[in-house]
Amino acid sequence: DSGVTQTPKHLITATGQRVTLRCSPRSGDLSVYWYQQSLDQGLQFLIHYYNGEERAKGNILERFSAQQFPDLHSELNLSSLELGDSALYFCASSATRPPRHFGDGTRLSIL
Amino acid sequence: GQQVMQIPQYQHVQEGEDFTTYCNSSTTLSNIQWYKQRPGGHPVFLIQLVKSGEVKKQKRLTFQFGEAKKNSSLHITATQTTDVGTYFCAGPGGATNKLIFGTGTLLAVQP
Repeated sequence: DSGVTQTPKHLITATGQRVTLRCSPRSGDLSVYWYQQSLDQGLQFLIHYYNGEERAKGNILERFSAQQFPDLHSELNLSSLELGDSALYFCASSATRPPRHFGDGTRLSIL
Repeated sequence: GQQVMQIPQYQHVQEGEDFTTYCNSSTTLSNIQWYKQRPGGHPVFLIQLVKSGEVKKQKRLTFQFGEAKKNSSLHITATQTTDVGTYFCAGPGGATNKLIFGTGTLLAVQP
């Protein structure tokens, strides 16, 4: 058990919809990272937050947004969903770089 | 942009045989990380290498960082079925907090 909790585990929705993925980091970890994993793109870095502030942005689409709240949990919002957004979304947390503790992921399926 | 490639993409070995995966970056890395992802699981942090030419061992696993800090390798001695999974290297993407994951090597071990 990594101590990182992601909800929901599975999400099935339709194109054009909006979803929110949630991540609770390990106790004491201030950094939260979001990654997208798909078969053809591998593990792609989306965004990194540290103690509520955005620290780095990767290949995150404009339709995607994220935030980290004062209690350090984070949410990743995906809107205007497309078939290509189907993937496994991982959250990771750490006290320092690099990301050390990954959650079990949220599997998003767009129908 | 920066690319991190791994070879081979896939390796099938008999239990007891050795295994090596190689990681090559298009740019010099300040550090490199290795992760293991079991089938259906999440990435698990294995180790971080920082110094040029650094070699670290974890039981049957030996990690090496190249002298030029542009490549790295992971060697597993006498593989076991528990070693099955995809091994990823990852390095920082420039002067940011991005972590760029390699393409991964999938290891299959036949008992």
